[in-house]
Amino acid sequence: EVQLVESGGGLVQPGGSLRLSCAASGFTFSTYDINWVRQAPGKGLEWISYISSSGATRYYADSVKGRFTVSRDNPKNSLYLQMNSLRVEDTAVYYCATQVGSRVCVTTSCQTYYYSYYLNVWGKGTTVTVSS
Amino acid sequence: QSVLTQPPSASGTPGQRVTISCSGSNSNIGSNTVNWYQQLPGTAPKLLMYSDTQRPSGVPDRFSGSKSGTSASLAISGLQSEDEADYYCAVRDDSLNAWVFGGGTKLTVL
Repeated sequence: EVQLVESGGGLVQPGGSLRLSCAASGFTFSTYDINWVRQAPGKGLEWISYISSSGATRYYADSVKGRFTVSRDNPKNSLYLQMNSLRVEDTAVYYCATQVGSRVCVTTSCQTYYYSYYLNVWGKGTTVTVSS
Repeated sequence: QSVLTQPPSASGTPGQRVTISCSGSNSNIGSNTVNWYQQLPGTAPKLLMYSDTQRPSGVPDRFSGSKSGTSASLAISGLQSEDEADYYCAVRDDSLNAWVFGGGTKLTVL
């Protein structure tokens, strides 16, 4: 079964740090780009970070840039999110999600095509609460 | 303020057809395919529609997607009580190197 399981959430004081983990199983983890998405209580979904399959490329939302660091250990089928200088507004459920990109042919010969991306498999999430 | 604009709420009675809209810009919806996610209460989001109009395996054909220019829509026909959930549109924004989401639409089945 394809699965992502987040862990590491908890209660932390403002200014503190936390490291989240995302354990993958049931698929070839090393071939997938992965994203972190969070959801504050009663709010919508917010993308916060992306890491390519090799780990060479990483992107961050402005809201966490300079404070959060995404990394991965492919032999261990694991993804991490190091969160420093935590703020009250970082309180949320944090999800990891695989990113799939598939080529869509516009012509039958596929000489013209585009890529379609979507976040396919999501974990159940881990809750981070930043409060004094 | 979300990059993609969705109505905060929608409702319908069982059996009805409901449509949820998602409005963006040339750098997101106008440039990439739209995905839709369903989030049942207390659960993680689940992929409901990808590549504008494609349903993952297991998603009923009562759900359909469409896109025109910088707007997209999710339609649910034959509304059922189990469809009561939050629905989010999402697109990869190449100019931001980021995923952008709509604010979400809470669907109530009356």
